[in-house]
Amino acid sequence: AQTVTQSQPEMSVQEAETVTLSCTYDTSESNYYLFWYKQPPSRQMILVIRQEAYKQQNATENRFSVNFQKAAKSFSLKISDSQLGDTAMYFCAFMRAGGTSYGKLTFGQGTILTVHP
Amino acid sequence: DAGITQSPRYKITETGRQVTLMCHQTWSHSYMFWYRQDLGHGLRLIYYSAAADITDKGEVPDGYVVSRSKTENFPLTLESATRSQTSVYFCGTGTSGRKVHEQYFGPGTRLTVT
Repeated sequence: AQTVTQSQPEMSVQEAETVTLSCTYDTSESNYYLFWYKQPPSRQMILVIRQEAYKQQNATENRFSVNFQKAAKSFSLKISDSQLGDTAMYFCAFMRAGGTSYGKLTFGQGTILTVHP
Repeated sequence: DAGITQSPRYKITETGRQVTLMCHQTWSHSYMFWYRQDLGHGLRLIYYSAAADITDKGEVPDGYVVSRSKTENFPLTLESATRSQTSVYFCGTGTSGRKVHEQYFGPGTRLTVT
C-alpha cells in the first residue's frame, strides 16, 4: 500500500514571497502520478499541478512548480509570488499508473497555508 | 454544464438511520469515486467505480454501500449511520484511457450523525 506524508500541518507566508510545501511518499511502484490539490475555504478541490513519475523534468504551472526527487520519494510544491487567494489547505496525492488501482488517489494529511498581506 | 453535483450539501441524521448521498455527473466520465475527508487524515477513498455495474472497495469501505446502474449516477448509502461516519464526503470522476489521472471533484456533502 502507498502512503503519503505531509509533515507540515500549517505554514504561513507574506504576500509576494515564496513558500515551499513538503510531501514524501512511500511506494514500491515505478510508474505513478503525483498531484497537488488546493482546497480553499469553499471546500472545492482544485488540481494545482501534476507530475508523471517517468518524467525527469519538474512540472510547472504559472507560479506553481514542483521539486520531484524520485529516488528520495519527495515531491515538494513551491509557490512563487504568493497571493492572498493562495490561502487554502493543500493536499499531496499519489496514484498508481496501472493495474487495479488505476484512478485511485492516496492523499496526505494536508497543509494549511495562510498568506498574510 | 453542471459537471458534478452532490446532494444534499448538508445532512444531519441520527445514529442507526439509513442515509443516501447522491452524486451526478454530466460528463459521462467512466470512473467515479467516493472519498471522505476527516481532520488529520486528508481524503480517503471509500468506493470506486470503473464503469456502470463495476465497483470496488477503497481504503475505508466498511459501513457503506454503493451502486452504479447508470454511468452518470453513483449513490453512496450508509446502511446504519454511526457517529464515526460524521465527515465531509466528496464524489469525484475521472476519464478513461490516458486521462484517468485527471480527476474532478464535486462540492462535497457535510454529514453529521448525532
